[in-house]
Amino acid sequence: EAGVTQSPTHLIKTRGQQATLRCSPISGHTSVYWYQQALGLGLQFLLWYDEGEERNRGNFPPRFSGRQFPNYSSELNVNALELEDSALYLCASRAFLEQFFGPGTRLTVL
Amino acid sequence: KNEVEQSPQNLTAQEGEFITINCSYSVGISALHWLQQHPGGGIVSLFMLSSGKKKHGRLIATINIQEKHSSLHITASHPRDSAVYICAVGISTSGSRLTFGEGTQLTVNP
Repeated sequence: EAGVTQSPTHLIKTRGQQATLRCSPISGHTSVYWYQQALGLGLQFLLWYDEGEERNRGNFPPRFSGRQFPNYSSELNVNALELEDSALYLCASRAFLEQFFGPGTRLTVL
Repeated sequence: KNEVEQSPQNLTAQEGEFITINCSYSVGISALHWLQQHPGGGIVSLFMLSSGKKKHGRLIATINIQEKHSSLHITASHPRDSAVYICAVGISTSGSRLTFGEGTQLTVNP
């Protein structure tokens, strides 16, 4: 069974640009979570999608948004990139209470 | 005060030593997770606990729901155990989104 996949692995953007990150959950998982790990900081919850709807979001500005598609894959969009958006972005899908993490996308904003 | 507190922040051990990492939390949880993060960022879920104790190889995790405390033990530590260990709790009122401790950087020297 394939695990959670994320693309791209690395992404380099400049300030003011937009970034799009993608996540495919494990087959059969309908919940997708996005987390951010900024350099030197701990992991923080960003967004939760379930059955195509945004269910909860963390303490992040509206520049961070996303969506979940009918096949339960998800996209995270970050608009008007700022230097401090440079981070590892992790996606996880959930079965019952357990979350399974993808390998992450490392976003660098120059 | 953080909702999840981990100690110690850094831990250096000699190969073969018994290691304990502690986690305390202050919120209602659906489950507690112990995660391992290697350099490069990939996260592996080691344990998910809602009560009692679990064992996997040389790793043991315990949780005391009444005291809101969990421990991760590593027996007969090995240099390949060197990683960051992260305690995370699923918030029972927020769709099991995870809130993370700051992590414990473990270095096991040969």
